[in-house]
Amino acid sequence: AQTVTQSQPEMSVQEAETVTLSCTYDTSESDYYLFWYKQPPSRQMILVIRQEAYKQQNATENRFSVNFQKAAKSFSLKISDSQLGDAAMYFCAYRSANFGNEKLTFGTGTRLTIIP
Amino acid sequence: DAGVTQSPTHLIKTRGQQVTLRCSPKSGHDTVSWYQQALGQGPQFIFQYYEEEERQRGNFPDRFSGHQFPNYSSELNVNALLLGDSALYLCASTTFGANYGYTFGSGTRLTVV
Repeated sequence: AQTVTQSQPEMSVQEAETVTLSCTYDTSESDYYLFWYKQPPSRQMILVIRQEAYKQQNATENRFSVNFQKAAKSFSLKISDSQLGDAAMYFCAYRSANFGNEKLTFGTGTRLTIIP
Repeated sequence: DAGVTQSPTHLIKTRGQQVTLRCSPKSGHDTVSWYQQALGQGPQFIFQYYEEEERQRGNFPDRFSGHQFPNYSSELNVNALLLGDSALYLCASTTFGANYGYTFGSGTRLTVV
């Protein structure tokens, strides 16, 4: 079974600065997808960024980028130019690429606080 | 473009009762999954429905059951409620076979007293 570990329960960053959230995972599969989701107080999980394991290039979405290290099974999220609206819980998630096994496995989350 | 809609938003039930939660997927999506998120935890997969059938199930007891309707909407039923069933229940939808991730609703907060 796959597991996802987020070792930082809480992080804080000054507005406009850069912060990196860590995530490691364990799997015996070679093809899979990794995601970062944001959960603000509204409770809705919002997809921030996704990475396909077979792609070596790190995904980027505006101020959000990832550092995907497949051999190390590491998938960190970097937020540049932090904004007050970035404050939320951030969850790392894993999904197998195998047909019939499309469930998401989540980590325990990191609470990000933005300091004005 | 309507996203995932869940109802009700909040619910209080007594231990031993039964509850039904409802979910309408995002327009164009045909696959619905349910997750349980306990306070301070990440969501845990309950099950997934496609073509009105349960395709995959997580480690939840048979007290948790579901249904998908021809219009792709879905229900989650929980029987014989326990205090430990208190949680946020999230519905997520996608298109079958797609790999671009899931769209989540805002959840139903269930409190069992």
